[in-house]
Amino acid sequence: EAGVVQSPRYKIIEKKQPVAFWCNPISGHNTLYWYLQNLGQGPELLIRYENEEAVDDSQLPKDRFSAERLKGVDSTLKIQPAELGDSAVYLCASSWGHSGANVLTFGAGSRLTVL
Amino acid sequence: GENVEQHPSTLSVQEGDSAVIKCTYSDSASNYFPWYKQELGKGPQLIIDIRSNVGEKKDQRIAVTLNKTAKHFSLHITETQPEDSAVYFCAARGTALIFGKGTTLSVSS
Repeated sequence: EAGVVQSPRYKIIEKKQPVAFWCNPISGHNTLYWYLQNLGQGPELLIRYENEEAVDDSQLPKDRFSAERLKGVDSTLKIQPAELGDSAVYLCASSWGHSGANVLTFGAGSRLTVL
Repeated sequence: GENVEQHPSTLSVQEGDSAVIKCTYSDSASNYFPWYKQELGKGPQLIIDIRSNVGEKKDQRIAVTLNKTAKHFSLHITETQPEDSAVYFCAARGTALIFGKGTTLSVSS
């Protein structure tokens, strides 16, 4: 069974350009997470979906970041416009059930470099 | 909100030695404590977890202990091997899963 699939794996853009990342979770996992991982740091939650609903987006910088999970399966995270400080790895994870006692499975991440 | 502190930030051991990584958390309502291993260019992978109703859990060469009173938990790796070299993250979940900053473990042969 395929794990959490993310694309692209690497993206290099100029500042002020838009960028989008895509995530396909493990089949049957209804909860999807986007995390930000800066160099040398642990993952930080950006947004959590249960099915199509964003149940925790308190850490998502909504002035430039947006996310969607229209059919409760795959998800897209967008940044527009990108800033130099957005250079990081964007990790997607999924789990089944609700936010209680569930194991998160992570994808390999999308590494963004903003020049 | 929850805050997770992890120590040490780097750890170097000889093959066959034991390695211990320690974490503290702030939210007494946290009830789930996973440990993840992250290799270069890959996402974090769960290696072991423990829930608040258990004090210790072991899986082959790795074990985790939890002291809820003191709000700290630890990862123990015995008989370390070069392939154990990676970054290890602890995490604690109250309302959300919060990660520590990671420990870079280097095992030299």
